[in-house]
Amino acid sequence: EPEVTQTPSHQVTQMGQEVILRCVPISNHLYFYWYRQILGQKVEFLVSFYNNEISEKSEIFDDQFSVERPDGSNFTLKIRSTKLEDSAMYFCADTLSGTGGMTDTQYFGPGTRLTVL
Amino acid sequence: QKEVEQDPGPLSVPEGAIVSLNCTYSNSAFQYFMWYRQYSRKGPELLMYTYSSGNKEDGRFTAQVDKSSKYISLFIRDSQPSDSATYLCAPTQGGSEKLVFGKGTKLTVNP
Repeated sequence: EPEVTQTPSHQVTQMGQEVILRCVPISNHLYFYWYRQILGQKVEFLVSFYNNEISEKSEIFDDQFSVERPDGSNFTLKIRSTKLEDSAMYFCADTLSGTGGMTDTQYFGPGTRLTVL
Repeated sequence: QKEVEQDPGPLSVPEGAIVSLNCTYSNSAFQYFMWYRQYSRKGPELLMYTYSSGNKEDGRFTAQVDKSSKYISLFIRDSQPSDSATYLCAPTQGGSEKLVFGKGTKLTVNP
């Protein structure tokens, strides 16, 4: 069964450093998302991405964050200057298509645990 | 008022028990009501979803939505130790819209 994959599984970085979290979505899926989950807290939406553009972003997704799909397969989340409070699990998700009037299952990857020291 | 509220538990039950998990929400635009299951240090996986008000059954699982009271429930019959996980309710407006998660209820089913 196709699945969303994410690398690395765990990333440790120093405060102020840049990190890039990578996701390989399911091959024919068109909508991509990043969510994060701070330890002990709920899963929070960061950003959605379709047709090489951001569709929606939350207030968490400020100027230090960016997303791109550099080669048509990978989907990346870049955090430019990490802060201690960026420590969290980051989940990539995707759906096949956003068919109006119906909902699409969002398939989640296993997550990348980011630890900022 | 938070968009989605969910009793975090934890909830501990004996094997074979009926489990009831609940959420409330505030956004009337939500049309689809998802339940995700998350095992420790794993990504959420979709368990089932319902559209609008009503019930939906899938094996031992029943999802129930009451839009008039903005109340979402998941029932698990004949609970098994393998059901031990965190259960997340996640309503959405549908299509490709973002999911809005509750905090999750951690369930432990004891053999």
